Amino acid sequence: SQQGEEDPQALSIQEGENATMNCSYKTSINNLQWYRQNSGRGLVHLILIRSNEREKHSGRLRVTLDTSKKSSSLLITASRAADTASYFCATLLRGGKLIFGQGTELSVKP
Amino acid sequence: GAGVSQTPSNKVTEKGKYVELRCDPISGHTALYWYRQSLGQGPEFLIYFQGTGAADDSGLPNDRFFAVRPEGSVSTLKIQRTERGDSAVYLCASSERTSGGTQYFGPGTRLTVL
Repeated sequence: SQQGEEDPQALSIQEGENATMNCSYKTSINNLQWYRQNSGRGLVHLILIRSNEREKHSGRLRVTLDTSKKSSSLLITASRAADTASYFCATLLRGGKLIFGQGTELSVKP
Repeated sequence: GAGVSQTPSNKVTEKGKYVELRCDPISGHTALYWYRQSLGQGPEFLIYFQGTGAADDSGLPNDRFFAVRPEGSVSTLKIQRTERGDSAVYLCASSERTSGGTQYFGPGTRLTVL
């Protein structure tokens, strides 16, 4: 069964706007990761935040983690049409398996 | 270097048939994972290998599903007596190690059971 829940399920914005996606999870984690998927194939790893970190940046991506609330957010700044994809959070459990959320479908209109 | 590759990219089969899905991990990666993704859902964990042994197969839905990694590199996911509900994209990932290493995913195999 999947652990994470993502919000919103779908997000439509204009190019140049920021996109924020949220993720909640249920159990203790080692780290939380965000992935991107185009056209239902090929998951691409975006960023990893460890359980003892609160915020992390990578280019136009900013991830926050609140372990007390068991939640994370992914912010994409200055979005581009090429950012259109599905975004998944995934929590890493002991032993190495990833538990994915249902994903947020982002559409960036030019 | 080369990423994770999966073959075939698409597989159409009939209910009741046997299928094998292959995964070639990134060279040197000791951990290998299989996930299954249904339409509109996130990937669901099936099994992972550390070396040749299955370290956790708790995600395999039933005994029709089996996976091997005999030499610690290539892995094959085997599905017996396929059912229509097995239709999904089967994703493979590898990482340098378990317990925190970034997992690199292959493009997946889209299985359709008619």
